[in-house]
Amino acid sequence: QVQLEQSGAEVTKPGASVKVSCKASGYSFTAYYIHWLRQAPGQGLEWLGWINPNSGDINYAQNFQGRITITRDTSISAANMELRRLNSDDTAVYYCARGDLGSYAYAYWGQGTLVTVSS
Amino acid sequence: QSVLTQPPSVSGAPGQRVTISCTGSSSNIGTGYDVDWYQQLPGTAPRLLIFGNNNRPSGVPDRFSGSKSGTSASLAITGLQAEDEADYHCQSYDSRLNGVVFGGGTKLTVL
Repeated sequence: QVQLEQSGAEVTKPGASVKVSCKASGYSFTAYYIHWLRQAPGQGLEWLGWINPNSGDINYAQNFQGRITITRDTSISAANMELRRLNSDDTAVYYCARGDLGSYAYAYWGQGTLVTVSS
Repeated sequence: QSVLTQPPSVSGAPGQRVTISCTGSSSNIGTGYDVDWYQQLPGTAPRLLIFGNNNRPSGVPDRFSGSKSGTSASLAITGLQAEDEADYHCQSYDSRLNGVVFGGGTKLTVL
């Protein structure tokens, strides 16, 4: 079955960076885009960007350009999201999700990674 | 401030029908981009409920239905059950932002 397994919770300080990984299994990793999203406490969902694991093409949300990097490692079927220059507003649960063919609907999600930014 | 607008909360009694609206603009829903809906229980990842405006993934009860008209979309839930109490999120694509956009989420309370 399709699974997206994310790395564990992180606690980090303002100004620092965080890297979250997402390991895919149960399907051909290069056949589907991986999207990154986040949800701050008590808030709605926010899209961060996507990567095409086959080509490496990337699209970042305008609000995060210059501060985010999404990469993939096809040898281990994993995608990574790094966010830099963190502040308290970046405290959130970060999700990876699989983008299905011809659609932005996300049928498969990782379990979420809580990133806490605190001094 | 979310690009798509949802009511913060809705409520209904068991067995009733409720609807949740999702209002966008000419650069997203109004352009013809699909609307998807998610259900989210506390502490869990969102679950895809409706995709492509009005399609249900396998396993989603037919009590849930979606519709779209102009710059808005709606999620309808009939025969409300206690287990439907959750947050609901709408999603689309925005051509001006060149990215995926969401509503702020709606909390459904079953009275």
